Amino acid sequence: GAVVSQHPSWVICKSGTSVKIECRSLDFQATTMFWYRQFPKQSLMLMATSNEGSKATYEQGVEKDKFLINHASLTLSTLTVTSAHPEDSSFYICSAARESTNEKLFFGSGTQLSVL
Amino acid sequence: EDKVVQSPLSLVVHEGDTVTLNCSYEVTNFRSLLWYKQEKKAPTFLFMLTSSGIEKKSGRLSSILDKKELFSILNITATQTGDSAIYLCALFFYNQGGKLIFGQGTELSVKP
Repeated sequence: GAVVSQHPSWVICKSGTSVKIECRSLDFQATTMFWYRQFPKQSLMLMATSNEGSKATYEQGVEKDKFLINHASLTLSTLTVTSAHPEDSSFYICSAARESTNEKLFFGSGTQLSVL
Repeated sequence: EDKVVQSPLSLVVHEGDTVTLNCSYEVTNFRSLLWYKQEKKAPTFLFMLTSSGIEKKSGRLSSILDKKELFSILNITATQTGDSAIYLCALFFYNQGGKLIFGQGTELSVKP
């Protein structure tokens, strides 16, 4: 089955630093990847849709200058949390599909970010 | 605003019980409704429902979609402690690049 790799699985950083999270599709090309955020005891909230070779589409209320998304190749999307603050501490997870119109999405294992 | 509402938000049962989890929604321009199980990290896929009234089954789990009344249910029979997890339903939007909108989830705890 298709595998999506996400790295790192957890990260602790100081307030004000930036953190980059990678999402790779290992055995298929993903023209579209999605980034979600999940706070404790809450559901996955879609942050943005990452499109290869073009700008990401952000959901309402998500700061595009704070959460930088780059989808430079068909197998890699990155999410950079810039100037992280404690309120950014959350579980971040990506997903990808072989085809953008295919609901059989594959999820990465997620990244737990803790900002001190 | 696309809205997916799950109920109950949490549920505690004993092994062997049968549970029914609910998912209701307010939009109709989606292609599929999906159910996921989330234990520690990434959600794992359970069911994809596209047509109304057709039950999907996998072992002790089953699910059905009612597009007229705008809801879906997930049934788990003879629950086991390994069923303890958060169960998420989500709507798949074909015409929006394939994004998923999730409900809040139901946290199921199965006691021995």
